[in-house]
Amino acid sequence: QAQLVQSGAEVKKPGASVKISCKASGYTFTTYPVHWLRQAPGQRLEWMGWINTGDGTTKYSLKFQGRVIITRDTSANTAYMELTSLTSEDTAVYFCARLMVVRRHAQNWLDPWGLGTLVTVSS
Amino acid sequence: DIQMTQSPSSLSASVGDRVTITCRASQLISTFLNWYQHKPGSAPKVLIYAASSLQSGVPSRFSGSGSGTEFTLTISNLQPEDFATYYCQQSYITPYTFGQETKLEIK
Repeated sequence: QAQLVQSGAEVKKPGASVKISCKASGYTFTTYPVHWLRQAPGQRLEWMGWINTGDGTTKYSLKFQGRVIITRDTSANTAYMELTSLTSEDTAVYFCARLMVVRRHAQNWLDPWGLGTLVTVSS
Repeated sequence: DIQMTQSPSSLSASVGDRVTITCRASQLISTFLNWYQHKPGSAPKVLIYAASSLQSGVPSRFSGSGSGTEFTLTISNLQPEDFATYYCQQSYITPYTFGQETKLEIK
């Protein structure tokens, strides 16, 4: 079945960057978009952006525009999310998720999700 | 951005109970509303998509309803494995936005 496996936890210093990977299996990677989200401690889930895994086009939340870069490697069935200029407020669990779409109705939902990658930003 | 207001933030119930979680959108979103379950150490899992469609493999004790701005998730005959955190999400437009979690605990 479809599965997304994320890279492991990271500890970064303020000002650094982090790059998280999300490896897909069990389906054709380039058929479905991959979205990235995060959840900071005590906060609700927050959408960061997505990538069209077929042509590589991306769209980012305005909140993260200029600091987030989402890419993919189709030969490795893997999507990546890089977040730059980290601050303590970026301490969060980061998730990738595949977008499922029913084209006739445009209904869409996220399934499956990765387990999440904890990123801790601390000096 | 569309604001999603979910209530209650926590809920205590017993096995066999019926519980309802509510989600309200700040603007009309038709039926572009999904519900997820999240357990510690596991990936979030979709339960209901398009407001009322049950995801394959999800027990029928889970049901969703609503359209426009008001939505509900109902869990009938609570089972021990249902004690978890639940989120609503609007998929009408990006940025996708989520409700604040509802933590369902055993009474």
